[in-house]
Amino acid sequence: GAVVSQHPSRVICKSGTSVKIECRSLDFQATTMFWYRQFPKKSLMLMATSNEGSKATYEQGVEKDKFLINHASLTLSTLTVTSAHPEDSSFYICSASPRPLQQFFGPGTRLTVL
Amino acid sequence: AQKITQTQPGMFVQEKEAVTLDCTYDTSDQSYGLFWYKQPSSGEMIFLIYQGSYDEQNATEGRYSLNFQKARKSANLVISASQLGDSAMYFCAMRELFSGGYNKLIFGAGTRLAVHP
Repeated sequence: GAVVSQHPSRVICKSGTSVKIECRSLDFQATTMFWYRQFPKKSLMLMATSNEGSKATYEQGVEKDKFLINHASLTLSTLTVTSAHPEDSSFYICSASPRPLQQFFGPGTRLTVL
Repeated sequence: AQKITQTQPGMFVQEKEAVTLDCTYDTSDQSYGLFWYKQPSSGEMIFLIYQGSYDEQNATEGRYSLNFQKARKSANLVISASQLGDSAMYFCAMRELFSGGYNKLIFGAGTRLAVHP
């Protein structure tokens, strides 16, 4: 149990286009989901906390208009990178929290912007 | 503010030997939790072990144990009998409680472990 999926696992897009990444909890409901970004050989940096039915809470320095988060149901959160540029290329990881003290991570999405 | 420090960017160990990965933390909270995750080259984050600040005993999970020294604010991960498959990045993390009861995780910089045959 406690499986989190992400789709796509890998995406390459042209500069200026928007990319949507999905995060799904497959066998549990998650009121809260988290989105992280990881640069090569670096640690995970929390971008935002996504709460079902309400607006996401963004970490300081993260552009909310750039990284749109929608948590439409208890099993799905989406991250849309709008007007992507090469500096947005990164590894994006989501996690889902069915209850406090537990977080289950998705396998990550590698975004490359040309 | 809470902070996690991993001072070893890279470690190597001989297969079947034990290795300790260091982690120190800083927090003013009385109640907190510490995690260790493994990240192989494929990228997924694999949960290894958890220690709560009020847990009296050090956490253990198979070959993984957490050497928790509260007064020193350290939570080192010990891997016994290393295997080649243990080669990966290892992250120490602390949960930060925020409104609503759910927890953000603050991660350290990570330690890359290489297990040699």
